[in-house]
Amino acid sequence: DVKVTQSSRYLVKRTGEKVFLECVQDMDHENMFWYRQDPGLGLRLIYFSYDVKMKEKGDIPEGYSVSREKKERFSLILESASTNQTSMYLCASSPRPTSGTYNEQFFGPGTRLTVL
Amino acid sequence: GNSVTQMEGPVTLSEEAFLTINCTYTATGYPSLFWYVQYPGEGLQLLLKATKADDKGSNKGFEATYRKETTSFHLEKGSVQVSDSAVYFCALRNNQGGKLIFGQGTELSVKP
Repeated sequence: DVKVTQSSRYLVKRTGEKVFLECVQDMDHENMFWYRQDPGLGLRLIYFSYDVKMKEKGDIPEGYSVSREKKERFSLILESASTNQTSMYLCASSPRPTSGTYNEQFFGPGTRLTVL
Repeated sequence: GNSVTQMEGPVTLSEEAFLTINCTYTATGYPSLFWYVQYPGEGLQLLLKATKADDKGSNKGFEATYRKETTSFHLEKGSVQVSDSAVYFCALRNNQGGKLIFGQGTELSVKP
């Protein structure tokens, strides 16, 4: 079974702190994604990566950065946490799609971050 | 741009009731459509998918048919169980790219 793990299930930080959210997948997937989930808004894509050291902005990248130094690990960084970044953060991974096919995204359990 | 709209929740049903969760979409071209489910305390799991018009996706008693004429992909189940209580997300993927666009999610609560 594909396994996507996230470093913490719950995290509480203070405004202005630098926050690292870690995601590791064990299936050698090329693609990795970071989403945030908020009530009434569904999932919104923050950043994604199609390969090591490669990153692309999603729909809401402001206030976030990412790092992918190894294929299995994709980190989300909040340089200076703010209260409006209180949310559930979900990581996902998928194999690189071949033409005309869809490769399912596999999700981690999420990290619920509270910024005070 | 691409977007997905789901019916608002929460939806509360009794066990063995019929379930419909409405989903409509706006997209260019011919997107693929998906339903994901999130059980309490867990990440999202793919429930079913359909990649072209008139396709029917099905899994675990759930079904959804890709209706291009009405731009809809409604989720149905004939007889829900307490274990179906979860949040359900409709999503689309434009075939020009790999990103998923999610609806806002619909919470389902099934009472015994």
